[in-house]
Amino acid sequence: DAGVIQSPRHEVTEMGQEVTLRCKPISGHNSLFWYRQTMMRGLELLIYFNNNVPIDDSGMPEDRFSAKMPNASFSTLKIQPSEPRDSAVYFCASSVAGQGAYEQYFGPGTRLTVT
Amino acid sequence: KNQVEQSPQSLIILEGKNCTLQCNYTVSPFSNLRWYKQDTGRGPVSLTIMTFSENTKSNGRYTATLDADTKQSSLHITASQLSDSASYICVVSAGDYKLSFGAGTTVTVRA
Repeated sequence: DAGVIQSPRHEVTEMGQEVTLRCKPISGHNSLFWYRQTMMRGLELLIYFNNNVPIDDSGMPEDRFSAKMPNASFSTLKIQPSEPRDSAVYFCASSVAGQGAYEQYFGPGTRLTVT
Repeated sequence: KNQVEQSPQSLIILEGKNCTLQCNYTVSPFSNLRWYKQDTGRGPVSLTIMTFSENTKSNGRYTATLDADTKQSSLHITASQLSDSASYICVVSAGDYKLSFGAGTTVTVRA
């Protein structure tokens, strides 16, 4: 099993630019999560999809952030325009809803640096 | 507000020694508690998951305990190895998809 796949692993961009992070969940998982991790705030849930439908986006910090899941095997998190305070590690995780107490499997993360 | 507090913030131990990490939580209702290991530059990986009725669970040299009455958990690492150097995160679930994360304890194992 390949696990959750994220790309790119590292992204460096200038303030004001658009950033797109990508995620491929584990095959057969019907729930997908985007998290942000910083030293100051730890891990924070940004958005949760179930069966490709956004269920909870209350963690999305601003309208500059958007996420899509066009099919069961792909999701994107977009930041437009990016700001230095968006610098963080962004994780995607997937699980099978209702099984294993929502055991979530995390990807390797994308380290975003906005200068 | 649901909170998960971990202590210590960091610790350094010599290879082969044991150590214990602490986690206190105020999450309610409570469904399960998990310990994750996060290596530098990687995503968190689950070590153990315990429900209300479980008070201990082991995964190799890792043993987690849970006292649901006092809302405390611990993670004990036995005979530490250099590969145990990582951040250990305590995570509590109220039963749905939302997880409450602790800030983590950074463990450094020195030869």
